[in-house]
This record gives sequence, structure tokens and C-alpha cells, in this order.
Amino acid sequence: GDQVEQSPSALSLHEGTGSALRCNFTTTMRAVQWFQQNSRGSLINLFYLASGTKENGRLKSTFNSKESYSTLHIRDAQLEDSGTYFCAAASNTGYQNFYFGKGTSLTVIP
Amino acid sequence: GGIITQTPKFLIGQEGQKLTLKCQQNFNHDTMYWYRQDSGKGLRLIYYSITENDLQKGDLSEGYDASREKKSSFSLTVTSAQKNEMAVFLCASRLNWGGKDTQYFGPGTRLLVL
Repeated sequence: GDQVEQSPSALSLHEGTGSALRCNFTTTMRAVQWFQQNSRGSLINLFYLASGTKENGRLKSTFNSKESYSTLHIRDAQLEDSGTYFCAAASNTGYQNFYFGKGTSLTVIP
Repeated sequence: GGIITQTPKFLIGQEGQKLTLKCQQNFNHDTMYWYRQDSGKGLRLIYYSITENDLQKGDLSEGYDASREKKSSFSLTVTSAQKNEMAVFLCASRLNWGGKDTQYFGPGTRLLVL
């Protein structure tokens, strides 16, 4: 089965509003990375976390290894935030592998 | 800063053809990855390599070969292209140093098989 369950699969936000994306892990993960895939298909690094919370502008991410989840909060959404967001988790075993969620497709509406 | 380049950007092939995709990175990273992304879906690991001349199979390795000729380059070969196949192939390299463990991605190769 899937190691990473990402939700929601799709999300629409009006400009200026916010929401949270979530990844649940079925095994213990030691770190998580969040990416935004833009309209050209490029994957942009947003965050890397081994624990705790990081913030960058309008984005904030949390990783809780013990409770096996990570979240990405977007506030004051802008049109350029549209795209697909992926989490990728690094397992405690299979050291070199990252497990990707299936992505959240975000559409920001004017 | 470093960069990952993938060639070609677009690849159109014929059914049964052998097709090769190339990836170069100048980060001097040890580990490199090939992923496949189908439309509207997540990334699935095809092959990875932890150093020059090393190859490790991912979940999706059947139908593919790979080659890590040198540290900076990692090639992927579709051994026999499937008719109507359409996907994006993404190459990544990994930084694992100084408490950071992150992947950096190339822009992708878009494959269409006629």
C-alpha cells in the first residue's frame, strides 16, 4: 500500500484566503520535503523538515514524526500559488528512498 | 548555485523503439534519481544511483535500464516504448549534508509514443 496519503487531492481557494494540506504516513518517516509543481512542470523546493515547524512568507510547514503527519499551510493565497503540491517523505529504512504523495492540485481563484 | 539539466525536453518515439533520456547535475551530489510522472498523478521511482557506476531498482524499473557513467550524469533508457504512452520523466539529485537531506529536480523530459 501507499506509504504517504496526501489530502485533499484538489483544492480551490479565493485570493486572500488560506487552507492546509496534509500528508499522513503509514510508517515512521525521518524527514519530509514539500514541493510546488508549477504550470511548466518544474518542481520547486518549498521546505525540508526533520522535525518541528518552518515558515517562509505565506507558507508554513509542520512535521510530526511521532504522530506520522506533515502539514503545509498557505495563507493569503495569490494566483501564483496555483499548481500541484507534493510531499515527499524519507523513511527510516530504505535510506535512499523518498516516498511521494499523489499531490494536491491547488487552484487560486481571483 | 547548481543546476540539473535534462535532455531532450520533449521526446516523440515509435512503438517498440529504444529511447534514451539524459540528466546532468553540477551540484556534485552523490545520489541521483529517475522518476516517472503520469498525468495528474504523483511521482514513481524508476531507478536511483548512490554513486558512479551504482544502480538500484525502484518500484517501476521493469521496462527501463539506467546508467551512471560518471558522478555528474545519469541516463535512463526506455527499452521498448509502448504505443500511446505519455509521461514526464523527472531526474533529481540529492543533497545529504549538514543536517539537510533534500532532492533537487530537473525540468523534466516529456515523452509521447505514437
